[in-house]
Amino acid sequence: GAGVSQSPSNKVTEKGKDVELRCDPISGHTALYWYRQSLGQGLEFLIYFQGNSAPDKSGLPSDRFSAERTGGSVSTLTIQRTQQEDSAVYLCASSLGQGTPYEQYFGPGTRLTVT
Amino acid sequence: QQQVKQSPQSLIVQKGGISIINCAYENTAFDYFPWYQQFPGKGPALLIAIRPDVSEKKEGRFTISFNKSAKQFSLHIMDSQPGDSATYFCAASWPGANNLFFGTGTRLTVIP
Repeated sequence: GAGVSQSPSNKVTEKGKDVELRCDPISGHTALYWYRQSLGQGLEFLIYFQGNSAPDKSGLPSDRFSAERTGGSVSTLTIQRTQQEDSAVYLCASSLGQGTPYEQYFGPGTRLTVT
Repeated sequence: QQQVKQSPQSLIVQKGGISIINCAYENTAFDYFPWYQQFPGKGPALLIAIRPDVSEKKEGRFTISFNKSAKQFSLHIMDSQPGDSATYFCAASWPGANNLFFGTGTRLTVIP
């Protein structure tokens, strides 16, 4: 079946512009995660959605970052007034339920470059 | 701060050799330790995972060794193949956690 899809695969933007990154989770997965992967830094948790519960935003690095999940499915990560340090690969993952032992399935990521 | 520390950053192994990647943690609440494999341009994919009630788990050529008292766990890849060349991430989580805590990754290159 279809896995997690993300779009665009690559995004180049100028400093100060806003960007939107999209994630389509696996159908039926109630949990959705966003991570950021910077060179040499591993994967950094950003935000988590579970069903209709309030999202866990504890990993968002600043108020320029926000995310929403519509209808319990598609999610959009928005970065306002982008900065060069926002350049990274943004990964989305989904899972059948919350926490372990539910495996997180990752999308291919969106590579964001801020010039 | 980095909750899971991973080493080495990069590793070069001859085909047929054993690849060993190590991770350490401090948080004793962690009870789930997965390893992810990532190929260029792809997202990470779960390779193998272990819970602290066992000291070793083997799946094919991949083995996790877990030392609860030392708060360390490692991935061993036996008979390493060029197709194993990828970046490997260890991770950890605790009951009810909303996310995985990842190590910084190890880039493995297996030379034919």
